[in-house]
Amino acid sequence: GDQVEQSPSALSLHEGTGSALRCNFTTTMRAVQWFRKNSRGSLINLFYLASGTKENGRLKSAFDSKERYSTLHIRDAQLEDSGTYFCAAKDYNQGKLIFGQGTKLSIKP
Amino acid sequence: GALVYQYPRRTICKSGTSMRMECQAVGFQATSVAWYRQSPQKTFELIALSTVNSAIKYEQNFTQEKFPISHPNLSFSSMTVLNAYLEDRGLYLCGARDGGAEVFFGKGTRLTVV
Repeated sequence: GDQVEQSPSALSLHEGTGSALRCNFTTTMRAVQWFRKNSRGSLINLFYLASGTKENGRLKSAFDSKERYSTLHIRDAQLEDSGTYFCAAKDYNQGKLIFGQGTKLSIKP
Repeated sequence: GALVYQYPRRTICKSGTSMRMECQAVGFQATSVAWYRQSPQKTFELIALSTVNSAIKYEQNFTQEKFPISHPNLSFSSMTVLNAYLEDRGLYLCGARDGGAEVFFGKGTRLTVV
């Protein structure tokens, strides 16, 4: 089965509101990265975490290797936050990134 | 900052022909380069991981005979899709990193097979 399970697959938010995305891992991962794929197809780095939490503006991410999950919180959502968000976990064996299925986020005025 | 340039951005090839895509790392040393494919309606799937001075490791369902990769130095990598067919269409991404740090991705090469 999939080693990285991302949810939800799609999310619609009104401007100014917030929510959280989550990735569960079937095994212990070394680190996690979060990306946003914008309308032009570019994969933009949001966070890289080997543990704990990081915050950048309206985004905050957490990674718990032992509990096998990571989250991405968005607050005060803006229209430009729309896009598809991916988590990707780095495994211990080869250090390769394993992607989640993505969350398509739509922000409505 | 760390940047990865990937080209071409889009390409169309006839069924049975081959196409090559390239990846250039700027601002850091690409000690490892990974190539991914995102097929329609799917997530990114690892094709192979290349580390300088080590053998290239291909994932299950991907082979060197089909996706030969070159990683000659710390700033450049290329991958060729040989004998492309409809099932090879999708977005191909190269991701590079310096050591164990985060991976930086290019903008991808979208392959259409006709």
